Amino acid sequence: DTAVSQTPKYLVTQMGNDKSIKCEQNLGHDTMYWYKQDSKKFLKIMFSYNNKELIINETVPNRFSPKSPDKAHLNLHINSLELGDSAVYFCASSQDLPTDTQYFGPGTRLTVL
Amino acid sequence: QKEVEQNSGPLSVPEGAIASLNCTYSDRGSQSFFWYRQYSGKSPELIMSIYSNGDKEDGRFTAQLNKASQYVSLLIRDSQPSDSATYLCAVNSGGYQKVTFGTGTKLQVIP
Repeated sequence: DTAVSQTPKYLVTQMGNDKSIKCEQNLGHDTMYWYKQDSKKFLKIMFSYNNKELIINETVPNRFSPKSPDKAHLNLHINSLELGDSAVYFCASSQDLPTDTQYFGPGTRLTVL
Repeated sequence: QKEVEQNSGPLSVPEGAIASLNCTYSDRGSQSFFWYRQYSGKSPELIMSIYSNGDKEDGRFTAQLNKASQYVSLLIRDSQPSDSATYLCAVNSGGYQKVTFGTGTKLQVIP
């Protein structure tokens, strides 16, 4: 049973398109995150939600909009995709605080052409 | 100055040797420190956490923390080829609302 799942695993799209990535966790955790990992492997926090409430929004362009319909789901919608958005996006969850163990999803590799 | 700094490597060690991975951080108020392992093409997974000065051992892994020097390290004893991965240091910053990751050190264990 997958603890943190993401769809799709791969996403190839053209510049200017809009796309979404979905994330679900079945661990009963209260906090969920989106991270971006670039080609240099730097894992950078984008957003965190606690019980559907936005806690962290780390200087991410407004083209990125997270949405948490319930505490088990955190989706990421990206408008007007740019070449620099190409990266691996990881969803993660933790019991409560970010200092609790974070469990990561398998990642979504986004390629913008 | 980066919040969490690691040498990107690669760090190459022969099988059976001790691998030593280092990390420095800038926020003196940090209280929680983590080592995550990430295999190529996979997601990070937690291997160790440490909260107080000194050493913490778990099997072949030992985390060492020195808050005065703002330094945390991970020792891997009897390194195995299966330990070859990127090791990410993570530190809480700005209170407990955020954990910041370093850029990771790539470890290669040579059979």
